[in-house]
Amino acid sequence: GAGVSQSPSNKVTEKGKDVELRCDPISGHTALYWYRQSLGQGLEFLIYFQGNSAPDKSGLPSDRFSAERTGGSVSTLTIQRTQQEDSAVYLCASSLFGLGNTEAFFGQGTRLTVV
Amino acid sequence: QQQVKQSPQSLIVQKGGIPIINCAYENTAFDYFPWYQQFPGKGPALLIAIRPDVSEKKEGRFTISFNKSAKQFSLHIMDSQPGDSATYFCAALNTGTASKLTFGTGTRLQVTL
Repeated sequence: GAGVSQSPSNKVTEKGKDVELRCDPISGHTALYWYRQSLGQGLEFLIYFQGNSAPDKSGLPSDRFSAERTGGSVSTLTIQRTQQEDSAVYLCASSLFGLGNTEAFFGQGTRLTVV
Repeated sequence: QQQVKQSPQSLIVQKGGIPIINCAYENTAFDYFPWYQQFPGKGPALLIAIRPDVSEKKEGRFTISFNKSAKQFSLHIMDSQPGDSATYFCAALNTGTASKLTFGTGTRLQVTL
């Protein structure tokens, strides 16, 4: 498809386990973003990749969270030693260039439940 | 720190009504203000956006009103329809950094028949 694709759609994991969430951005988009959406909350910025520049990791809530983007395309968000408060919908978005000049397109999200 | 405050949290209007969702921001460096619409199980999608050099922008039945001095902006939906039932998020961006949107907490809108 032509949109942002995220996998898996749903993930249930046990507390303490590691999880990997995948994002396939729209082909050709240079910018990629990860957001977290908790129940009753807005979207919380996690990390931003732009081309070959160093990522903006200022939104990552703890050192248990990390993300990488390989070859300027696919991105993986990894959460180590998951906690119940990590339960949320994790959204990925991509844009052709930086925001404000081009639109960010969101994927459908990965719903993570930590039990 | 909640940099973008959104209200109300939820809203119910009858078909044909004009729901109004309000947002206020604190950071005067913000210079781009989009609204996103999100249906259950879907990611947010850009609905309409405004820059602070204009006070109003219309696209179809959706209008943004912007008050720069008050640091407030609002979304109006004219002739609302049941298909408009969704969660609406306001957001703000400093295009100088262009790295991240700051979102409000969302408004769940229900349009009844």
